[in-house]
Amino acid sequence: DAKTTQPPSMDCAEGRAANLPCNHSTISGNEYVYWYRQIHSQGPQYIIHGLKNNETNEMASLIITEDRKSSTLILPHATLRDTAVYYCIVRVAGVSDYKLSFGAGTTVTVRA
Amino acid sequence: GAGVSQSPSNKVTEKGKDVELRCDPISGHTALYWYRQSLGQGLEFLIYFQGNSAPDKSGLPSDRFSAERTGGSVSTLTIQRTQQEDSAVYLCASSLLAGGGETQYFGPGTRLLVL
Repeated sequence: DAKTTQPPSMDCAEGRAANLPCNHSTISGNEYVYWYRQIHSQGPQYIIHGLKNNETNEMASLIITEDRKSSTLILPHATLRDTAVYYCIVRVAGVSDYKLSFGAGTTVTVRA
Repeated sequence: GAGVSQSPSNKVTEKGKDVELRCDPISGHTALYWYRQSLGQGLEFLIYFQGNSAPDKSGLPSDRFSAERTGGSVSTLTIQRTQQEDSAVYLCASSLLAGGGETQYFGPGTRLLVL
C-alpha cells in the first residue's frame, strides 16, 4: 500500500520479541492501521488493527505513536512458525474502502 | 468457529477448459470478496458481494470470469475457457459487514494452474 513504508526484511531469534515498524506519515484521522501476514503458500492472515490506542490480542500487540504517523507490531515470543511476510496497511473506516491492497511488506525470518 | 474455507485447494486444468472455485465464508458474514494473487505479486481485487448482490465487479479481468453467491453464504467463481495467464492463487475473504472498517478474513486459497 503506497500509504505505508516498511523495511523489506528482518531477522529475529526464536523466543525473542519481534518488533516490526511501519511508517504511515500521511494517515488521516479516520484511517485504521491493519496488520496481516502471509505465510508461504497460505492465504493472508489477519493479525490486529487499531485506530489510535494500543491494542493487544492473542497474537500480537500494536503500538501506535501519539501522532499516529508510525506504529510497531510486536510478536512477543517469536516462533519458527511466525516466519512470514508481514503487511501494514491503512484503511478508511467507511463503506468504500473494501479493496485490500498489500505493498511489499516485511519478510520476517525467525531463526532458531 | 470455522474460518473461511475454499475448494479445491489445488486445480490443474488444460487451456480452454472451464473451472469452478468455491468459497464458504465465515457463518454470519454478509460481505464476501474474491481476490487473486499471482506468483510474487500483490492482491488483485476481483469482485465483492454484499449478501447475494455484487455491487462491485470492477476487478473481473474479462467476461470469461463470473461469480455468484447464493443464500448469502457460499460463493462460486467460474472461469470459462481458461488461459495460461489465469494461473494464480484465488483467494476468498469475508467480513461481518462491508466497508473499510471491517476486518476481512481470508481462506487458504485455490491454486490454479492452467497448462
